[in-house]
Amino acid sequence: DAGVIQSPRHEVTEMGQEVTLRCKPISGHNSLFWYRQTMMRGLELLIYFNNNVPIDDSGMPEDRFSAKMPNASFSTLKIQPSEPRDSAVYFCASSLSGTLQYFGPGTRLLVL
Amino acid sequence: AQSVTQPDIHITVSEGASLELRCNYSYGATPYLFWYVQSPGQGLQLLLKYFSGDTLVQGIKGFEAEFKRSQSSFNLRKPSVHWSDAAEYFCAVGYNNNDMRFGAGTRLTVKP
Repeated sequence: DAGVIQSPRHEVTEMGQEVTLRCKPISGHNSLFWYRQTMMRGLELLIYFNNNVPIDDSGMPEDRFSAKMPNASFSTLKIQPSEPRDSAVYFCASSLSGTLQYFGPGTRLLVL
Repeated sequence: AQSVTQPDIHITVSEGASLELRCNYSYGATPYLFWYVQSPGQGLQLLLKYFSGDTLVQGIKGFEAEFKRSQSSFNLRKPSVHWSDAAEYFCAVGYNNNDMRFGAGTRLTVKP
């Protein structure tokens, strides 16, 4: 199994630009999670989906952030417009509901 | 509200020495408890979990953790640390696998 796949692994962009992070969950998993990790705030859950439906987006920082899951094998996290304070490592994780979360390698985002 | 505290931000141990990483939680019921490890530039890998039953849980890489309800703790232990154990360790608690909260992490340095 390839595990959770995230792309890109690194992203450097300028303030104001749109950023799209991508995630492919483990095949057969029906829950998907987006996390953000920073030195100041640690690891925070942003949003999670169950069967492609957003269940809890209370962790999404503000309207500049949006996430979609058009099908069971793909999800995106979009930031528009991006700001320097969005710089962080963004992790995607997936699980078969009621079981363990498996994390992807993360996308390291730097907004200049 | 549930919360997780890892009191030690950074711990240094000598190779071959024993290790204990502390984790305390605040929760209204018996939580699900997890320990994850993150190597530099990598995603999170599950070391072990506690859902119910035996309070001493064995994990991968020779790690174990003990759930102590009276102390609201779930400390991670290893009898003999290897240089490859140097990483960041995260304790997490949750109602279930979809609603986890992570501690701030403990960075482990291993001296030769």
